[in-house]
Amino acid sequence: GQSLEQPSEVTAVEGAIVQMNCTYQTSGFYGLSWYQQHDGGAPTFLSYNALDGLEETGRFSSFLSRSDSYGYLLLQELQMKDSASYFCAVRTGAGSYQLTFGKGTKLSVIP
Amino acid sequence: GAVVSQHPSRVICKSGTSVKIECRSLDFQATTMFWYRQFPKKSLMLMATSNEGSKATYEQGVEKDKFLINHASLTLSTLTVTSAHPEDSSFYICSARTQSQPQHFGDGTRLSIL
Repeated sequence: GQSLEQPSEVTAVEGAIVQMNCTYQTSGFYGLSWYQQHDGGAPTFLSYNALDGLEETGRFSSFLSRSDSYGYLLLQELQMKDSASYFCAVRTGAGSYQLTFGKGTKLSVIP
Repeated sequence: GAVVSQHPSRVICKSGTSVKIECRSLDFQATTMFWYRQFPKKSLMLMATSNEGSKATYEQGVEKDKFLINHASLTLSTLTVTSAHPEDSSFYICSARTQSQPQHFGDGTRLSIL
């Protein structure tokens, strides 16, 4: 079966840095994606890692270690608007591009 | 960036009716579209994968006769919830992708069956 583990909730202070982890056990692995979802809204694509290492996009960075079946999303200079749920998702098929989502981490940014 | 439009955003209807949800890729041709269901404070559960011009592939446990998917063109896929019942009430989200794009999601449809 497929399973992705994420902490359910994280609280961090405005201006700080937060790291949200994701560990996975899947029958296939072709990449790890991260999505942000505000309450009542649609998921928004943040990043994708197919290879080991760190990808940086502005305040957001994503890391992958395929040997450890582990990745994380790093948010710097936290803003109140970053309060949302963050989902990691594994692409499990080479051709199908299907994604299996984790249960998400709810990030609360406090003043 | 890529934009996916989903319509309607909210539907309230009586038990037994059928509801059609549209998903359109606005500025790219989507080789594949996906339909998800999400319960409150839960993750996205893939229902089916839809490829243009072919039958949709449904995930285990999803009734294909209840959730009819049509992918008639490279920019449009529809999900029809047939004979809807209160337990079908949920947030339905589509996504679309093409070879050079990751999955981009529509804004979702909140379906409430009375």
